[in-house]
Amino acid sequence: GAVVSQHPSWVICKSGTSVKIECRSLDFQATTMFWYRQFPKQSLMLMATSNEGSKATYEQGVEKDKFLINHASLTLSTLTVTSAHPEDSSFYICSARAQSSYEQYFGPGTRLTVT
Amino acid sequence: AQSVTQPDIHITVSEGASLELRCNYSYGATPYLFWYVQSPGQGLQLLLKYFSGDTLVQGIKGFEAEFKRSQSSFNLRKPSVHWSDAAEYFCATGGSQGNLIFGKGTKLSVKP
Repeated sequence: GAVVSQHPSWVICKSGTSVKIECRSLDFQATTMFWYRQFPKQSLMLMATSNEGSKATYEQGVEKDKFLINHASLTLSTLTVTSAHPEDSSFYICSARAQSSYEQYFGPGTRLTVT
Repeated sequence: AQSVTQPDIHITVSEGASLELRCNYSYGATPYLFWYVQSPGQGLQLLLKYFSGDTLVQGIKGFEAEFKRSQSSFNLRKPSVHWSDAAEYFCATGGSQGNLIFGKGTKLSVKP
């Protein structure tokens, strides 16, 4: 149990375009989802926390108008990278947490390359 | 604020040898602690976690970790390493929003 999927697993886009990444909890209801970013050979850094039905909370230094997060249902959160630039190229990983649980389940990640 | 430190960036061990990956935490109360493994280009797999209770925690794939409050450590161990264990290992602790705060990771290489 406790499976989290991400789609797409990898995407290449041109500079200036927008890309949407989906994160789904397949067999449980995720009241909270987290979005992390991992640059090559570095650790995961939290970008934002999203709770179902409310606005996401962004970490300091993360532009909320550039990284749009929507958590419209208990099984789906989306991250949209708007007007992507090459420096946004990274590995984006989501995790999901059920209500009253401290345990998180990670998606397999999405590799974004902006050319 | 909570944080974890992994002092070793890269460790190389011979196949069949024992392994210990270090992790130190910074938190006043009893922290939630985790060890994850990440293969290249892949997501994270939870190896084990510590919330409370028995300080020696058994995980998957033959890994174990011991919580030592006196040393603020949560080191990961395996008695005999296999070539398939080569990967990046992350220690993590719980953040204030329920998120995870990760260490910088330790890359494990295994010599044949």
